[in-house]
Amino acid sequence: LAKTTQPISMDSYEGQEVNITCSHNNIATNDYITWYQQFPSQGPRFIIQGYKTKVTNEVASLFIPADRKSSTLSLPRVSLSDTAVYYCLVGGPNSGYSTLTFGKGTMLLVSP
Amino acid sequence: GAGVSQSPSNKVTEKGKDVELRCDPISGHTALYWYRQRLGQGLEFLIYFQGNSAPDKSGLPSDRFSAERTGESVSTLTIQRTQQEDSAVYLCASSAFPGGGEPQHFGDGTRLSIL
Repeated sequence: LAKTTQPISMDSYEGQEVNITCSHNNIATNDYITWYQQFPSQGPRFIIQGYKTKVTNEVASLFIPADRKSSTLSLPRVSLSDTAVYYCLVGGPNSGYSTLTFGKGTMLLVSP
Repeated sequence: GAGVSQSPSNKVTEKGKDVELRCDPISGHTALYWYRQRLGQGLEFLIYFQGNSAPDKSGLPSDRFSAERTGESVSTLTIQRTQQEDSAVYLCASSAFPGGGEPQHFGDGTRLSIL
């Protein structure tokens, strides 16, 4: 069971880069790391997924060190609309679905 | 194409009543998940469907909860004899392929309030 640990909350200002780190010490060889974003009154939304090294898309970057025991979601130049809860999820083809735990996520508050 | 659709968006009912929540997954998605999210909390896995395989019901909190899915289409989550602790947002998600690493696509949930 690859449980994850994230900070409960983070504060930032518009235009800054935000890095949210997730610890997953028990990650399995076949597990991927997936990040989701959730706004109030909405379901979580897929942001980015990676297995190792670095992945970048139009929204964010995901950095994964060689030992894969942690990962960092990087949001460049955040805006007020990036205020949301961010979840780190670890799972793979050999993971049971009941073991997929979203946890409480990280509440990111972006201020003007 | 359309995303995951859930109905109703809000449901208020009296304690002891039965409720039925509906989820329409993205067309062609083989996997479907139900979660419960209490206020200020993370998502709690309830049940998982994959094609015609037996569902993984290991997250259902009691025998008052049940769910069905016909093939790779609509799913319904039923809660019998509702209790106040059942008040939560019930979220449905689907993914194109099975596997714990597959990105899930969520609906906006049904907010259930038990009076």
